[in-house]
Amino acid sequence: GENVEQHPSTLSVQEGDSAVIKCTYSDSASNYFPWYKQELGKGPQLIIDIRSNVGEKKDQRIAVTLNKTAKHFSLHITETQPEDSAVYFCAASVSNDYKLSFGAGTTVTVRA
Amino acid sequence: DAGITQSPRHKVTETGTPVTLRCHQTENHRYMYWYRQDPGHGLRLIHYSYGVKDTDKGEVSDGYSVSRSKTEDFLLTLESATSSQTSVYFCASTSGGLGYTFGSGTRLTVV
Repeated sequence: GENVEQHPSTLSVQEGDSAVIKCTYSDSASNYFPWYKQELGKGPQLIIDIRSNVGEKKDQRIAVTLNKTAKHFSLHITETQPEDSAVYFCAASVSNDYKLSFGAGTTVTVRA
Repeated sequence: DAGITQSPRHKVTETGTPVTLRCHQTENHRYMYWYRQDPGHGLRLIHYSYGVKDTDKGEVSDGYSVSRSKTEDFLLTLESATSSQTSVYFCASTSGGLGYTFGSGTRLTVV
């Protein structure tokens, strides 16, 4: 099955700085890569996703990049704000499988 | 969001007792999933369902069973709870091809 590794496990950044989280996947057939944000006491919420026919996708302050050759993808958060503090999960799947394999998560803390 | 709800939100049970967690979705999603969340492991798939009465095992299915008699309901049962099943359990659903919608989770403690 798919194995997704996520780094770092914790990340502390100064407000206004950028944050980058990296994930690698093992199954070359994977073609769908979502990112989820989980706030304390809540379920994960989809924040952005990318499919394998696209190299980069942006949505305001967040962006995701994908390198299919190297089998890794990254989440970039610019101009971080206190409300960006949360646990972030990357995931991967083969789209016709509809099963997601998740990374272990990154706890992001934005210091005021 | 009210589209998917889990019950109970918290439960404490004794080792060896059966426990059933319920997931209810109003989105008419075909696919439903049960994950457990543990520190250092992220979210691991327990069981999933492709439709009514159509279920399959995930990567950590031992000690768990599921049932789906209606599109909107997906039940997770721990036949005989063990301390290793202390965890936070999340249900998710999707219509297919899009990101999951997650419930708010059930925190289960087995003592």
